[in-house]
Amino acid sequence: EDKVVQSPLSLVVHEGDTVTLNCSYEVTNFRSLLWYKQEKKAPTFLFMLTSSGIEKKSGRLSSILDKKELSSILNITATQTGDSAIYLCAAPQGGSEKLVFGKGMKLTVNP
Amino acid sequence: DTEVTQTPKHLVMGMTNKKSLKCEQHMGHRAMYWYKQKAKKPPELMFVYSYEKLSINESVPSRFSPECPNSSLLNLHLHALQPEDSALYLCASSPRGVTYEQYFGPGTRLTVT
Repeated sequence: EDKVVQSPLSLVVHEGDTVTLNCSYEVTNFRSLLWYKQEKKAPTFLFMLTSSGIEKKSGRLSSILDKKELSSILNITATQTGDSAIYLCAAPQGGSEKLVFGKGMKLTVNP
Repeated sequence: DTEVTQTPKHLVMGMTNKKSLKCEQHMGHRAMYWYKQKAKKPPELMFVYSYEKLSINESVPSRFSPECPNSSLLNLHLHALQPEDSALYLCASSPRGVTYEQYFGPGTRLTVT
């Protein structure tokens, strides 16, 4: 069965710290891996990584796909309290239109 | 513009009521999704519409009835719900399917009394 595993499941840091969120995946016929940020409401799309786009960056956030290790990391540098959220990793299930989500990682950034 | 809109924002309904949730996108996306999300859990897929046809029903009880009137609109009709159906209902869309990024709407917070 396809699965996506995130670690750690929660993290508390101070403003200015750098954090690394991990996501490992086991999916048949890998197509893409997605990162989302969820605050109080809906998940907000961050990045999509594919075989032809293994590294993405936007401001203080960056993400890398390691196809050999079947994993991805999401880096946040110079964290701010506004980065406090649940970060979700997901990948399309093999042969399906369904996204398989990890359990999510709760990040708390304290001032 | 990557906006998916949903109405209403909040809904309280009794177990005998009939109500509908509405979702709209004007990005030309051809795949639309309904998810249910319980507290501290990731979104759980309910239905997928691809090119206005229902392509996935994740064994959802018949008291939830999806409808896709056109490529921009997605409805979820609710009837005889149970208290355990209380959750955040999220709509999402993607350009052509799950290989592409999905954009989520703000959700409808549903409470069944």
